[in-house]
Amino acid sequence: LAKTTQPISMDSYEGQEVNITCSHNNIATNDYITWYQQFPSQGPRFIIQGYKTKVTNEVASLFIPADRKSSTLSLPRVSLSDTAVYYCLVGDAWAGNNRKLIWGLGTSLAVNP
Amino acid sequence: EAGVTQFPSHSVIEKGQTVTLRCDPISGHDNLYWYRRVMGKEIKFLLHFVKESKQDESGMPNNRFLAERTGGTYSTLKVQPAELEDSGVYFCASSQLNPRQDTQYFGPGTRLTVL
Repeated sequence: LAKTTQPISMDSYEGQEVNITCSHNNIATNDYITWYQQFPSQGPRFIIQGYKTKVTNEVASLFIPADRKSSTLSLPRVSLSDTAVYYCLVGDAWAGNNRKLIWGLGTSLAVNP
Repeated sequence: EAGVTQFPSHSVIEKGQTVTLRCDPISGHDNLYWYRRVMGKEIKFLLHFVKESKQDESGMPNNRFLAERTGGTYSTLKVQPAELEDSGVYFCASSQLNPRQDTQYFGPGTRLTVL
């Protein structure tokens, strides 16, 4: 499974757009990209998933360039409640039913007032 | 719809004792995963059930860990005897069977402290 690299931490202010970029240089053709969010004392929560180009849902947008060697999670107009750790994961869509997730340390986002 | 639940939320035991963690997945989810995060480290995969069968247990640290999922519903993870290095947060996740892209839903975790 492809390894991912993210910034350890980021700081932002309320109302700003936050972009977290993840590198996955060894991503395979079969791999898709997933982002999870984790608050303290809670389990990770699925945010968004994509394979290529752009995906948008009610929470975030995910931008994936043509070479798919990186991806950017975009959080519009963050609030204090968006302070959390964000994980980028790459998984094999053709792995059958063996979908174990390989985690990095994630990006700790701090949103300040 | 109820999410994934885990019990207990915290457990403090002494080295050598036995602890059993429980996970109740979302109803209808045949996939059940156990993960663990040791302080300061990444979340690590432990094992994966499909219904009551172990699909992948390559992440289980050693034979002191025993996971079961009798009847394909809830799962238990027993640590016997517990060692200091077993301390960490144990997460359970569940997902539907055979979608092309697997969204795993996580429980809040069980924080295990071995003294």
